[in-house]
Amino acid sequence: GNSVTQMEGPVTLSEEAFLTINCTYTATGYPSLFWYVQYPGEGLQLLLKATKADDKGSNKGFEATYRKETTSFHLEKGSVQVSDSAVYFCALSDTNFGNEKLTFGTGTRLTIIP
Amino acid sequence: EPEVTQTPSHQVTQMGQEVILRCVPISNHLYFYWYRQILGQKVEFLVSFYNNEISEKSEIFDDQFSVERPDGSNFTLKIRSTKLEDSAMYFCASSEETASNQPQHFGDGTRLSIL
Repeated sequence: GNSVTQMEGPVTLSEEAFLTINCTYTATGYPSLFWYVQYPGEGLQLLLKATKADDKGSNKGFEATYRKETTSFHLEKGSVQVSDSAVYFCALSDTNFGNEKLTFGTGTRLTIIP
Repeated sequence: EPEVTQTPSHQVTQMGQEVILRCVPISNHLYFYWYRQILGQKVEFLVSFYNNEISEKSEIFDDQFSVERPDGSNFTLKIRSTKLEDSAMYFCASSEETASNQPQHFGDGTRLSIL
């Protein structure tokens, strides 16, 4: 079955540091890949997505590239801010019609200190 | 921006009681989902719903669970006889199309506590 493995947390960084959160996946087909973010007390919000190999998703300074050869979708940001403190979830959806559930990783808690 | 709304935000129920969690998806969306997140664990898929029927369900979604779209706006998750292990955050999500084409939009969740 499908699975997502992401970097264990928690991760603590200083403001303006470079961020990488690793994510690798196992899937039978050609999944779409997502990063969701959960701010304290809130639901999951889509941060970015990529639907095919070599696509780069980007939003709010975050980027992730769909790497089929390494089955990875690592999240990066060049200079993090305190407001980026949240839990980040990597997820995939199988593109088989009728099987579009999201499979999530365990989440990585990120704390940015001023 | 339209959003998915869930009520209540926190539900406390005695073990063995029935509970109904309510969701109002975004109005033009056609696909509906329930997920849950046990404290400290990953978000897990429960069920997807399209065209007034379940399109897929996980092994967690046993006979104690049911979903319904009773009218044109609400989407509910019922747990018939709650167990302690049902304590979790339950998220509703909806999407206009399948997830590969349009993202799933999530509500803020209902925290269910079983005593």
